[in-house]
Amino acid sequence: DGGITQSPKYLFRKEGQNVTLSCEQNLNHDAMYWYRQDPGQGLRLIYYSQIVNDFQKGDIAEGYSVSREKKESFPLTVTSAQKNPTAFYLCASSATGNPYNEQFFGPGTRLTVL
Amino acid sequence: AQKITQTQPGMFVQEKEAVTLDCTYDTSDPSYGLFWYKQPSSGEMIFLIYQGSYDQQNATEGRYSLNFQKARKSANLVISASQLGDSAMYFCAMRDDRNTGGFKTIFGAGTRLFVKA
Repeated sequence: DGGITQSPKYLFRKEGQNVTLSCEQNLNHDAMYWYRQDPGQGLRLIYYSQIVNDFQKGDIAEGYSVSREKKESFPLTVTSAQKNPTAFYLCASSATGNPYNEQFFGPGTRLTVL
Repeated sequence: AQKITQTQPGMFVQEKEAVTLDCTYDTSDPSYGLFWYKQPSSGEMIFLIYQGSYDQQNATEGRYSLNFQKARKSANLVISASQLGDSAMYFCAMRDDRNTGGFKTIFGAGTRLFVKA
């Protein structure tokens, strides 16, 4: 089945540690995205990538880093520089060509900093 | 600046009745797309319906329809014959051509829908 997988589903981290969230898609989509969602709020864009080896900052990129070495994979690293990293993180992908293609989302990773 | 506003934090609807979730948007770009997503308690986002700014007719997908009023910049979601499984958060979103080729989507704060048996 085609889709997006994120792992792990729950992640706990100690303050000062970097942590990497995984996102893999087998939809053959060129574009991939990372969003952050805080309780009771909408999604905010962290980073997005339209093609392999290229990515752009979103609205809240500070304290995060990404890589796009493969079309299928778009891992997100939450660094110790992110002051308030506890949140729900969603990865998404979409086809390109038509900018209004809908985004397909993964199940999300809930990160808690202890 | 682009903006999405959902003014209803929570809505209640009786099972089998219709409900309208409000969404207003702001953009100066004539070309844009509007989306609605559903987020159940599990957390994943499920795409429901899409409306393009140049589409002449309102979009429909099964029990979902989008009441698109371009002059008023509103894109309300109508759910007909509500079911208990419709209880979830609903997000309105917009993407326009000004955002680097249309790949940046902005989301509203969401409306939580409760369907009563």
